[in-house]
Amino acid sequence: EVQLLESGGGLVQPGGSLRLSCAASGFIFDSRVMSWVRQAPGKGLEWVAAIVQNGDIPLYADSVKGRFTISRDNSKNTLYLQMNSLRAEDTAVYYCATDYCDGDCSLFDFWGQGTLVTVSS
Amino acid sequence: VLTQTPLSSPVTLGQPASISCTSSERLVHDNGNTYLSWLHQRPGQPPRLLIYKISNRVSGVPDRFSGSGAGTDFTLRISRVEAEDVGVYYCMQATQFPRTFGQGTKVEIK
Repeated sequence: EVQLLESGGGLVQPGGSLRLSCAASGFIFDSRVMSWVRQAPGKGLEWVAAIVQNGDIPLYADSVKGRFTISRDNSKNTLYLQMNSLRAEDTAVYYCATDYCDGDCSLFDFWGQGTLVTVSS
Repeated sequence: VLTQTPLSSPVTLGQPASISCTSSERLVHDNGNTYLSWLHQRPGQPPRLLIYKISNRVSGVPDRFSGSGAGTDFTLRISRVEAEDVGVYYCMQATQFPRTFGQGTKVEIK
């Protein structure tokens, strides 16, 4: 069974930092591009960042570029999102999700339950 | 940019529903695939993939759900809405970065 388990969310002051983790199991982790997607309270889905299978190429939404860093540790089957210089508008539930693969797969077929990040003083 | 219509869809149980998704650019990948998907989200739950590559249903998704379209115009149809189908439906494209989502369409029972 595929599982994606996010952790690391919480309350942080504006300008602060937080590191999210996503522990993956039940599939070949290093075969998938992995993405972070967020959802502000009562709003729609917003793609945040992705990282290719070997971790060499990170990609970011303009809204987080220069502040967030995506990384992965394939030996631990874990995806990370380091969030710095947090703003109130970063308040959201953050999901990790499976993205592209080189073979035959359906992108964004698996999602974690999400972790809530609240940026407030 | 993905634009969904309608943004709200009150539907009678057993009746059909249809959601449109229009892209500002063609979504054909260099490998020939069109990575246009449909997701469903219930309150308090993560999104769930229903349809991928325009018209392919994920295993376990009822056959009352169907996807169609090409190029820049796509449609999700529910042939007969059931109570469990309420929630918000999103189209999304994964042909290019940044990945993008439609605004979401809220389906509710009249």
